[in-house]
Amino acid sequence: DVKVTQSSRYLVKRTGEKVFLECVQDMDHENMFWYRQDPGLGLRLIYFSYDVKMKEKGDIPEGYSVSREKKERFSLILESASTNQTSMYLCASSLDRNTDTQYFGPGTRLTVL
Amino acid sequence: AQSVAQPEDQVNVAEGNPLTVKCTYSVSGNPYLFWYVQYPNRGLQFLLKYITGDNLVKGSYGFEAEFNKSQTSFHLKKPSALVSDSALYFCAVRDSMDSNYQLIWGAGTKLIIKP
Repeated sequence: DVKVTQSSRYLVKRTGEKVFLECVQDMDHENMFWYRQDPGLGLRLIYFSYDVKMKEKGDIPEGYSVSREKKERFSLILESASTNQTSMYLCASSLDRNTDTQYFGPGTRLTVL
Repeated sequence: AQSVAQPEDQVNVAEGNPLTVKCTYSVSGNPYLFWYVQYPNRGLQFLLKYITGDNLVKGSYGFEAEFNKSQTSFHLKKPSALVSDSALYFCAVRDSMDSNYQLIWGAGTKLIIKP
């Protein structure tokens, strides 16, 4: 089975702090994604990556950056956390660009005070 | 533009009754359609998908979905609901014409199964 892990289940940070969310997948998937999930809004794509050192902006990239130095790891960075970034963050991976099925990690619930 | 609509925020069903969670979509090309489920405090789990072929797709946990091209719908169904089916359900679509290969997600439907 595909396993996608996220570094923290719950995280509390203060406004202005730099926040790192880590995601690791163990199935040699090419594609990795970061979403945020908010009630009534479904999943919104922040960034995605189709290969190492490659990144593409999703629908809501403002205030975020990403890093993919190794194939199995995809990091989401909040350069200066703000209260409107309080949300559930979901990482996902999929095999390649021709495979649509995405596999999700358990999520990180981030609270910015 | 691509879009997905889940018209019901919440669906309530008695245990043992059939359930339907609705999804409609809009794409330019052919749709690739997905259903995912999210149990409390868990990540999303893949249930089933339609790419091509038979309009009735069977998936995990006894769920199935029917692709209806004329009505642009992909409703999720189960003949007999279980209390353990209570969860948040998401429909997603990808447009075969979209070179970005991204999924577009619905807002989610909360399914509550009452004993």
